[in-house]
Amino acid sequence: GQQVMQIPQYQHVQEGEDFTTYCNSSTTLSNIQWYKQRPGGHPVFLIQLVKSGEVKKQKRLTFQFGEAKKNSSLHITATQTTDVGTYFCAGRNRGSTLGRLYFGRGTQLTVWP
Amino acid sequence: EPEVTQTPSHQVTQMGQEVILRCVPISNHLYFYWYRQILGQKVEFLVSFYNNEISEKSEIFDDQFSVERPDGSNFTLKIRSTKLEDSAMYFCASSARQFNQPQHFGDGTRLSIL
Repeated sequence: GQQVMQIPQYQHVQEGEDFTTYCNSSTTLSNIQWYKQRPGGHPVFLIQLVKSGEVKKQKRLTFQFGEAKKNSSLHITATQTTDVGTYFCAGRNRGSTLGRLYFGRGTQLTVWP
Repeated sequence: EPEVTQTPSHQVTQMGQEVILRCVPISNHLYFYWYRQILGQKVEFLVSFYNNEISEKSEIFDDQFSVERPDGSNFTLKIRSTKLEDSAMYFCASSARQFNQPQHFGDGTRLSIL
């Protein structure tokens, strides 16, 4: 069945260091979404990537979607303590006419001041 | 900004009992979802709902589960004969359209089965 794998599971960085999380799907995706979940909170939508090879930026966050639409990454430049949380990728299967998202396990980011 | 609201925030129930988790999706949204997240694990899809019927359900969503939109605003998840392994955070989400639209999540209901 469809699987979305995400690594690393945990990442601890010093404030100011960069952070990257990687997402890989077992099947080709129609699009991929990224969510952030703060400790004790709910997933909050960050961005959606649709096109092959797409790159989008939100301030210090850079999101990429692979050429084959099977992998994606989120890179944070110069992390801040406010970046703490778990980052999830969530993919939707190519050809799907329904809304189901397949979530990765998430990368829990800890930022030391 | 409009948001998805869920009640209760925490539900404690004896094993074998039935629970109903309630959600009020964003008012102009048409697609509704239930997800669950076991502590420390990933978010898992349960079911999607559109036009008063289930669009898709996962292998988790068996006969123990049911969803309903009893009126124009509420969207409920019923779990019958609860088991210990049903303990999890249950998130409701809604989206305006299925494609190219984000899913907006509620704060969740933490379900604890004793």
